[in-house]
Amino acid sequence: ETGVTQTPRHLVMGMTNKKSLKCEQHLGHNAMYWYKQSAKKPLELMFVYNFKEQTENNSVPSRFSPECPNSSHLFLHLHTLQPEDSALYLCASSLGRPDYNTGELFFGEGSRLTVL
Amino acid sequence: SQQGEEDPQALSIQEGENATMNCSYKTSINNLQWYRQNSGRGLVHLILIRSNEREKHSGRLRVTLDTSKKSSSLLITASRAADTASYFCAPPTGGSYIPTFGRGTSLIVHP
Repeated sequence: ETGVTQTPRHLVMGMTNKKSLKCEQHLGHNAMYWYKQSAKKPLELMFVYNFKEQTENNSVPSRFSPECPNSSHLFLHLHTLQPEDSALYLCASSLGRPDYNTGELFFGEGSRLTVL
Repeated sequence: SQQGEEDPQALSIQEGENATMNCSYKTSINNLQWYRQNSGRGLVHLILIRSNEREKHSGRLRVTLDTSKKSSSLLITASRAADTASYFCAPPTGGSYIPTFGRGTSLIVHP
């Protein structure tokens, strides 16, 4: 138990569906992250939020829409996805500001997404 | 862009043997982290080494850092079957401190 909880753990959706991934951290951290892990590819940073403000958007397609209502919750809204978006989506948090953070990231267990 | 490149991509050893994984990166760093990932799970932080450190230990883990060669290594001594996992080095991105990850080294330890 890392203190970062992701739901759902598994999600299957069609290309026309709209769904959301949820991440919640119970660590009192200020920064939250979305990473994408596809088979045989490096882990890709998608978005970073610091105190609810987005500080990084790593050229992610607009069919992925993040939302951070507070420092403890992070969502990834999904719509009109493609089969190549199938991947493990990992949420992480850290105590400090991303641009000054020299500490560790705490990851959730991930949400395995399959797009049919 | 900055990301760790782990080598080898896969490593298979017997229980009790040592496992060494290497990492290279491109731009100067202030620290480098190592993470572990069990199959299909989240990543777990193992150790952080700062740029002014050459070696750091944590239990059966030993990490080295050579900033002149832009490389790091992770040594797991007396490996166990439970060490079977993927291991990632994570240098920070240039201009920020956000860890970046490569493809990792897949370690299999046979009992």
